[in-house]
Amino acid sequence: LAKTTQPISMDSYEGQEVNITCSHNNIATNDYITWYQQFPSQGPRFIIQGYKTKVTNEVASLFIPADRKSSTLSLPRVSLSDTAVYYCLGEGTNSGYALNFGKGTSLLVTP
Amino acid sequence: GAGVSQSPSNKVTEKGKDVELRCDPISGHTALYWYRQSLGQGLEFLIYFQGNSAPDKSGLPSDRFSAERTGGSVSTLTIQRTQQEDSAVYLCASSLAGPGASGGSTDTQYFGPGTRLTVL
Repeated sequence: LAKTTQPISMDSYEGQEVNITCSHNNIATNDYITWYQQFPSQGPRFIIQGYKTKVTNEVASLFIPADRKSSTLSLPRVSLSDTAVYYCLGEGTNSGYALNFGKGTSLLVTP
Repeated sequence: GAGVSQSPSNKVTEKGKDVELRCDPISGHTALYWYRQSLGQGLEFLIYFQGNSAPDKSGLPSDRFSAERTGGSVSTLTIQRTQQEDSAVYLCASSLAGPGASGGSTDTQYFGPGTRLTVL
C-alpha cells in the first residue's frame, strides 16, 4: 500500500501550538489530504481535509505546500483533551493511501 | 442522522470457535471498510467493499477471515477457528464513495465504535 510517514509520538504542554507533519511523496494529482483523530476506545473521526495551500476549521488548520508532498496539521493552544492519535491519509484516486492508516502520531498533552 | 453501528460491542470467545461481527453503515454510503486494531497498534486494513463487491481483500490476514456485504448495506466479518492473536478491536467505516472516486473529498471515512474481540 502507498504510505504516508508521520512521527510516532509528540509531547506538548497545555496552551501550546502543536504542528504534526506528514510526508506523502507519491500523492496523486486528484487526492485530497485528510487527517483523522482517534481517542482511546473510539474509532477515528475526521478532523480536517484539504487539497492545497491552507484550510482552517474550528478544530485545526492544515497547511499543504505547492508540491503537496507533505502536509502539516496545526492544533492551536492544545488542551488535555487533544491527547489522541492523529492519522494523515491521502483520499481520492489512490486507494493505497486511503486505506493505510498506519500507527499515526500519538500526541500527549500535559499540564 | 445515524452513524455507523457495530455489534456486538464486546465478544469473548474460546479459541477454535467461529465469530461473526456485524456492521451497519451510514445509509447511502456505497463503500464499507473493515480494519483491525491490536493493543497499542495502528489501524490495519482488512477489506473494503464497493457496493456488494470487494475490490480489495489484500488485508485479510488468513483464509480464516472472510467478509460479505448484502444489499449494499450491512456487512458481516467472519473469523473461523479463532486464535488468540485474533484478539483486537475490529472497526468498520463507511464512506459516500470509495477510494478511487473522482474528486477525492467524497470518500472521507466515518467509523463505528468497534467490536472488541477477546479470544481466550
